Amino acid sequence: DGGITQSPKYLFRKEGQNVTLSCEQNLNHDAMYWYRQDPGQGLRLIYYSQIVNDFQKGDIAEGYSVSREKKESFPLTVTSAQKNPTAFYLCASSMGGAPSPLHFGNGTRLTVT
Amino acid sequence: KNEVEQSPQNLTAQEGEFITINCSYSVGISALHWLQQHPGGGIVSLFMLSSGKKKHGRLIATINIQEKHSSLHITASHPRDSAVYICAVRGGSQGNLIFGKGTKLSVKP
Repeated sequence: DGGITQSPKYLFRKEGQNVTLSCEQNLNHDAMYWYRQDPGQGLRLIYYSQIVNDFQKGDIAEGYSVSREKKESFPLTVTSAQKNPTAFYLCASSMGGAPSPLHFGNGTRLTVT
Repeated sequence: KNEVEQSPQNLTAQEGEFITINCSYSVGISALHWLQQHPGGGIVSLFMLSSGKKKHGRLIATINIQEKHSSLHITASHPRDSAVYICAVRGGSQGNLIFGKGTKLSVKP
């Protein structure tokens, strides 16, 4: 079955460490997105990529980095520069171009202590 | 003021009740999405619409572009419908999605 896989589901890190969240899709989608979800707030866009080897900052990109070396993969690195990294992170993909439905992964809950 | 407002924030219903969740937005849009987030965190896309009405099973979504308002209806609600329902709008053909804060629905047996 086609879909988006995020791993791991839960991730714990010490403050000051970089951590990479995985996102893989086999839907042959061009566009991929990373969102952050905090209690009581709507999803906020961190980074997005419309095509391989290209990506753009979203609304809250500071302290994060991404790469898009393959169409299927869009890993997110939470760096030590991110002031408040504890959150629920969601990866999504879509066909790109004209508005199209989003497909989401099951999310990764990151806790930094 | 948020660009996407949902109401109510929380909703408790008895099994079998007809449910309505509302979404109002303040920007011009090319599409509106309704999403369902399960307690485990995964999100499923329910509808994407830019005009009129769509129906899938017991779920119905409507949009009024002039009034900048959309509703999600659930007929004959069931405890398995318990989830957070999220409205999101896309501003323009290449605009990014703007998300509402969600409506938490709990359906009691």
